[in-house]
Amino acid sequence: GEDVEQSLFLSVREGDSSVINCTYTDSSSTYLYWYKQEPGAGLQLLTYIFSNMDMKQDQRLTVLLNKKDKHLSLRIADTQTGDSAIYFCAESKGSSASKIIFGSGTRLSIRP
Amino acid sequence: DTGVSQNPRHKITKRGQNVTFRCDPISEHNRLYWYRQTLGQGPEFLTYFQNEAQLEKSRLLSDRFSAERPKGSFSTLEIQRTEQGDSAMYLCASSLATSRGDEQYFGPGTRLTVT
Repeated sequence: GEDVEQSLFLSVREGDSSVINCTYTDSSSTYLYWYKQEPGAGLQLLTYIFSNMDMKQDQRLTVLLNKKDKHLSLRIADTQTGDSAIYFCAESKGSSASKIIFGSGTRLSIRP
Repeated sequence: DTGVSQNPRHKITKRGQNVTFRCDPISEHNRLYWYRQTLGQGPEFLTYFQNEAQLEKSRLLSDRFSAERPKGSFSTLEIQRTEQGDSAMYLCASSLATSRGDEQYFGPGTRLTVT
């Protein structure tokens, strides 16, 4: 998705925090999402944030939104081997925020 | 299992043949979406339905592609005269759009291989 950009790879040590970054282009996006895709599995909605929020926390996940810079991040605290996956950042588009535009995904690998 | 289901999970077809995929959304969801995902990329939006009405179609959806949701429940995606470039994972998602958000839940996908 050319409208949403992410780095392709991230490697972290088990137990450390992972921070996955994303930039988007549409300032009118209503929702911004993080999805997780494990090998051979479908997309799992992890969390999403309204565009009028700066931060959302859900257990080990923290989402930060900087609307001025159109920057979104996902922090995973105490990263575990089960967190290995591809993480997709996405923004909503359209008058009813129905269309989701995905980035190309960040592959997170965990080293012991 | 009350999640989104898709059938078949895998389809191999020869170039020029027609294929049809089915998606059964989560039962109370009013919106249904089709996406396509190729290797190393994120899903690309194809089309979506609100109940039985098809409200938006991507320019990626050529005239060889048609989607229906006749009774506002399950949906079918048909590709006519398949081409090798149609090889991809076809994903279906559903949601119950409310004023509090639009959480799209994805099915496992149908992997299409055109030989």
